[in-house]
Amino acid sequence: DQQVKQNSPSLSVQEGRISILNCDYTNSMFDYFLWYKKYPAEGPTFLISISSIKDKNEDGRFTVFLNKSAKHLSLHIVPSQPGDSAVYFCAASAPGQGNLIFGKGTKLSVKP
Amino acid sequence: DAGITQSPRHKVTETGTPVTLRCHQTENHRYMYWYRQDPGHGLRLIHYSYGVKDTDKGEVSDGYSVSRSKTEDFLLTLESATSSQTSVYFCAISDVPEGGELFFGEGSRLTVL
Repeated sequence: DQQVKQNSPSLSVQEGRISILNCDYTNSMFDYFLWYKKYPAEGPTFLISISSIKDKNEDGRFTVFLNKSAKHLSLHIVPSQPGDSAVYFCAASAPGQGNLIFGKGTKLSVKP
Repeated sequence: DAGITQSPRHKVTETGTPVTLRCHQTENHRYMYWYRQDPGHGLRLIHYSYGVKDTDKGEVSDGYSVSRSKTEDFLLTLESATSSQTSVYFCAISDVPEGGELFFGEGSRLTVL
């Protein structure tokens, strides 16, 4: 059973507009959430994270929102740039869990 | 960038042959992980290590074994490779327990014919 779900396999956005990537989770014990970005033929790289004690974390053009009651988080990229085109993975961890659980990823395409 | 090196980066092998992938880190991080990435599945944990000679199974550990005889090296072994193990394998490291931020290597693409 998938504990972290990214239901949109792909997303296409125009340059300069907002990109919103969504992630849902089922395990209420998750207390830390991360977003990773992956370019082809490279390893994933950490983008931004949020603890369950917060509902928002911002880093430049990237903002992650957490809605614990809905078990939902989202990554907002404003403004979107062509270099943001990549696969984005949502990940989560719980106390005592020795690893991250990843979603299947969403491929973002930002068109000039 | 974290110092992680995976080798080999690309390998083609035949069904039934043994394969070993190596992950080497220069960061002295305690925690090391092996993930595989497959279309439609995202990243799935194979095995992880929380110290020298301390390892545990992940979500998809069947058919894989690991060893960590020193802090900097984490080996993933396929004793008898099968076509279902064709994948891209990523090593990751962390200095934070309980799945904190991971630093990934560049990946090893394995094709089993």
